[in-house]
Amino acid sequence: AQSVTQLGSHVSVSEGALVLLRCNYSSSVPPYLFWYVQYPNQGLQLLLKYTSAATLVKGINGFEAEFKKSETSFHLTKPSAHMSDAAEYFCAVNHFNKFYFGSGTKLNVKP
Amino acid sequence: DAGVIQSPRHEVTEMGQEVTLRCKPISGHDYLFWYRQTMMRGLELLIYFNNNVPIDDSGMPEDRFSAKMPNASFSTLKIQPSEPRDSAVYFCASSPRGGLADTQYFGPGTRLTVL
Repeated sequence: AQSVTQLGSHVSVSEGALVLLRCNYSSSVPPYLFWYVQYPNQGLQLLLKYTSAATLVKGINGFEAEFKKSETSFHLTKPSAHMSDAAEYFCAVNHFNKFYFGSGTKLNVKP
Repeated sequence: DAGVIQSPRHEVTEMGQEVTLRCKPISGHDYLFWYRQTMMRGLELLIYFNNNVPIDDSGMPEDRFSAKMPNASFSTLKIQPSEPRDSAVYFCASSPRGGLADTQYFGPGTRLTVL
């Protein structure tokens, strides 16, 4: 069965520091991969998605993610954190038309 | 576009009562999804529709839950009878054509509390 693992339920960074949120999936066949962001009391919003084109995917708000088949990973990064990035981030997988979200990582940005 | 619209935004009900959640997808989107979010189980896909037809309802927790999509602009998720463990935030989402491989646009959610 497909699963998505997000390491670290809470990540705290200082404003201006690198953001790294980890996501690993379990599949022998590369699935479609997504990162969504959820701000408090709101629905989810797509940050970026990988659909077997370029392995480095650029998204909104300066975020990007790199698909690494050998590591079955799709980690989300941003070079410089901003206070407005504080939110919960979800990695998601579409595998053979089954859709799974990871457990989420709450990002805290310290001034 | 107004985005995905859900109503009500908050619902408080007593155990045993019927609850109906409503969703209006983005016009022109072919797919509609219902999700449930809880602290314990995270985000779970309950059911999704393509062109008003249910495609996969394997995530519906039990027979107390039912979902309908009578037309392209309206869907309901009904819980009858409701139980305290149904308390959660329920999200509706829609996507244009690619279904689960496409971007999903989420509504603001309905926070359900069953006492």
